[in-house]
Amino acid sequence: QVQLVESGGGLVKPGGSLRLSCGVSGFTFSDYTMSWIRQAPGKGLEWISDITSDSSRNYGDSVKGRFIISRDNAKKSVFLQMNILRAEDTAVYYCARGGGKYCTDAVCYTPPFDFWGLGTLVTVSS
Amino acid sequence: SYVLTQAPSVSVAPGETARITCGGNDIGSKDVHWYQQKPGQAPILLIYYNSDRPSGIPERFSGSNSGNTATLTISRVEAGDEADYYCQVWDNSSEVFGTGTKVTVL
Repeated sequence: QVQLVESGGGLVKPGGSLRLSCGVSGFTFSDYTMSWIRQAPGKGLEWISDITSDSSRNYGDSVKGRFIISRDNAKKSVFLQMNILRAEDTAVYYCARGGGKYCTDAVCYTPPFDFWGLGTLVTVSS
Repeated sequence: SYVLTQAPSVSVAPGETARITCGGNDIGSKDVHWYQQKPGQAPILLIYYNSDRPSGIPERFSGSNSGNTATLTISRVEAGDEADYYCQVWDNSSEVFGTGTKVTVL
């Protein structure tokens, strides 16, 4: 069955860095766009970034220039390097399969986030 | 940037029908996905491409999308449906989530 497991969360000081990892199993990882989504305490869902199967990257405005997404198909993993962290980056970070847009035979699709990990908590505080 | 608006909360009695709306400019021209999130849990996909259900999702959950409003309908509401519900679309290389609706079963 499909599984996604995030790791790497923790407590970090403002201005610091952290690297999240998400290991997957149960599907052909290299075929899919992978995404990071976060949820601040008591708040809604916020899309952060995605990376396509051919490693094209997109970022939300709140993290552009500070976060970097990457993937290792051999290790079936996606990563999120988070730099210059701020208090407002405090959240549970979820890895999810899906997102993005692709077109085939003149028909375009915007896939849902069909599988999610359990999340990893990142706390930015002094 | 694209904005999706949802009512903060909806209350419904068991056995009744709950309708959760998601408003966005010409949202009917986009594919809308819906997620359910129970307290302390990760979201799960509930409805995709406006009205399709993943395997394992009860037929009581249905979706529609037209004009400026997408709607998630929960028929014959059960106590276990109490959760937060989010709509989501893709727009201009970004994913956008709605503000979320908390469904309370009376």
